[in-house]
Amino acid sequence: NAGVTQTPKFQVLKTGQSMTLQCAQDMNHNSMYWYRQDPGMGLRLIYYSASEGTTDKGEVPNGYNVSRLNKREFSLRLESAAPSQTSVYFCASSLGTGGNQPQHFGDGTRLSIL
Amino acid sequence: AQSVTQLDSHVSVSEGTPVLLRCNYSSSYSPSLFWYVQHPNKGLQLLLKYTSAATLVKGINGFEAEFKKSETSFHLTKPSAHMSDAAEYFCVVSAWGGGYQKVTFGTGTKLQVIP
Repeated sequence: NAGVTQTPKFQVLKTGQSMTLQCAQDMNHNSMYWYRQDPGMGLRLIYYSASEGTTDKGEVPNGYNVSRLNKREFSLRLESAAPSQTSVYFCASSLGTGGNQPQHFGDGTRLSIL
Repeated sequence: AQSVTQLDSHVSVSEGTPVLLRCNYSSSYSPSLFWYVQHPNKGLQLLLKYTSAATLVKGINGFEAEFKKSETSFHLTKPSAHMSDAAEYFCVVSAWGGGYQKVTFGTGTKLQVIP
């Protein structure tokens, strides 16, 4: 009954450090997404993967890279962290990218960049 | 173009009274509409979705929403608020058009329930 699992739940980094956020889903979904949530701004899409082997930029991709490792796993990498990347990061998955497909979310990773 | 406007950033109601959370949208395509709820330190959970079937949509925990195309609105309602409804609610528009999926989140409405 896990759904979407994100690790770690919390992380503090120094400016310039790198880090990979991990996400795995066990619902056999084809599509996966990475969002960031900042106060008063809702969720903004960073990158998404419509299916295994494909990735595409979302609304705010600068400073991030992603890897769709297999159908289950989709990771987000910060190569050189900046204070502006302090945020809560959510991974989500859906059966497909059709407009009527709801997304299922993990519990988030709270990331602070000092 | 696509946008979502949640008209209230905060709503406060007394326990047992009705809840109304307002959402207006615009989309160049035929959108699907969703409401999600987020409890503190948790991810978003789907409450309900509209996908061009019945305009009155029933969701979990007694919530429902009505799609009004003429008013481009998708307001969320509940007849009687419960303390456990205190959370943040997000209206979401999703459409497939121009060769890709566009998902747009509202900025959220925080619901406070007063005992």
